[in-house]
Amino acid sequence: AQKVTQAQTEISVVEKEDVTLDCVYETRDTTYYLFWYKQPPSGELVFLIRRNSFDEQNEISGRYSWNFQKSTSSFNFTITASQVVDSAVYFCALSEPAYGQNFVFGPGTRLSVLP
Amino acid sequence: SQTIHQWPATLVQPVGSPLSLECTVEGTSNPNLYWYRQAAGRGLQLLFYSVGIGQISSEVPQNLSASRPQDRQFILSSKKLLLSDSGFYLCAWKRTGNNSPLHFGNGTRLTVT
Repeated sequence: AQKVTQAQTEISVVEKEDVTLDCVYETRDTTYYLFWYKQPPSGELVFLIRRNSFDEQNEISGRYSWNFQKSTSSFNFTITASQVVDSAVYFCALSEPAYGQNFVFGPGTRLSVLP
Repeated sequence: SQTIHQWPATLVQPVGSPLSLECTVEGTSNPNLYWYRQAAGRGLQLLFYSVGIGQISSEVPQNLSASRPQDRQFILSSKKLLLSDSGFYLCAWKRTGNNSPLHFGNGTRLTVT
């Protein structure tokens, strides 16, 4: 079955530290899509990034970067020079279109950035 | 641009009462629509999704139901709420197409007392 694991339940860092959020997934197909979402205290989920299974190129967007490694089935998310506004729950998600329209979410990692 | 509206933002209902949560999407046609539930401190659980009017797929057995009376309207209902129905309900949409991400509404926090 589809499965997404985020082993880190909670992480606390001090502002300006770098932090990496881990995501490991299990798939049944060669074509799949991975996503990261941010859920701030207000509750709404904000889409951050999408990755296709056939594109392993890492991506950087400002202080955010993503490391996709098919060999280890991981899609890790790094925040550089963290800020208090980064405090949120972060979810990794997997979509396998061949098996329906469901998005499977990991349990989330709660990140607290302390001033 | 596309927007998703979900209401109400918060709701307190007694056990055994009915429920109706509504979600509408603007700025797109024939979206895929989803209802997720998030229990306190937990991850997201898919409840229902729809790929078209009148087409509903249920992912978990429960006392909830969903309907899609119009292309961009998705409704979550219950005839009799249970205490275990408390949680944060999120509506989401995506374009048809395999690599489209989900876009979420602001959510409804339901407390069943």
